[in-house]
Amino acid sequence: GEDVEQSLFLSVREGDSSVINCTYTDSSSTYLYWYKQEPGAGLQLLTYIFSNMDMKQDQRLTVLLNKKDKHLSLRIADTQTGDSAIYFCAETPSDYKLSFGAGTTVTVRA
Amino acid sequence: GAGVSQTPSNKVTEKGKYVELRCDPISGHTALYWYRQSLGQGPEFLIYFQGTGAADDSGLPNDRFFAVRPEGSVSTLKIQRTERGDSAVYLCASSQSGGNTEAFFGQGTRLTVV
Repeated sequence: GEDVEQSLFLSVREGDSSVINCTYTDSSSTYLYWYKQEPGAGLQLLTYIFSNMDMKQDQRLTVLLNKKDKHLSLRIADTQTGDSAIYFCAETPSDYKLSFGAGTTVTVRA
Repeated sequence: GAGVSQTPSNKVTEKGKYVELRCDPISGHTALYWYRQSLGQGPEFLIYFQGTGAADDSGLPNDRFFAVRPEGSVSTLKIQRTERGDSAVYLCASSQSGGNTEAFFGQGTRLTVV
């Protein structure tokens, strides 16, 4: 994951919005992904965006993609305690391989 | 099965020993992947199978690591002469086919080499 960079920690109050940022390097990535990992659990695909899109909204999740700057963000509206987890951004250097960032630990406080 | 199953969930082994980690993919998924996640890091790609064959093993760190999928379903990751640096969570994923179809991950095997 050294080609994908994320901030390591984010603390947010319950009910506020969370924004997790990611920069990537592979401009040929067809898809960019966000995964969620809870303690003791496997990786869960949260959402993804196709590289020719600027934005994708899926219920409380909004993904923004700036291809020029190779910047991806994930916004979680109305953050809940169940959103506490590690969030990984991933680019696709090939059509089967995922290259992950180091993950952003999101802590939701009451 | 309902999801990707990995066994054992935890494995502690002594330095120099041989270990095998097993992955049962979702039934019908032709693509299978192994990733390694070290503490505080994101998963790193190890190997990708399409059916029985390893289509890309470029992520295997050295020749102590080997993986097989003889019948195109269950896969085994084999590590010879384990070293303390091999300690990590080994994740398996499967997808219906390759090519950006959604990959479903198992819960991983936590390997500790003492």
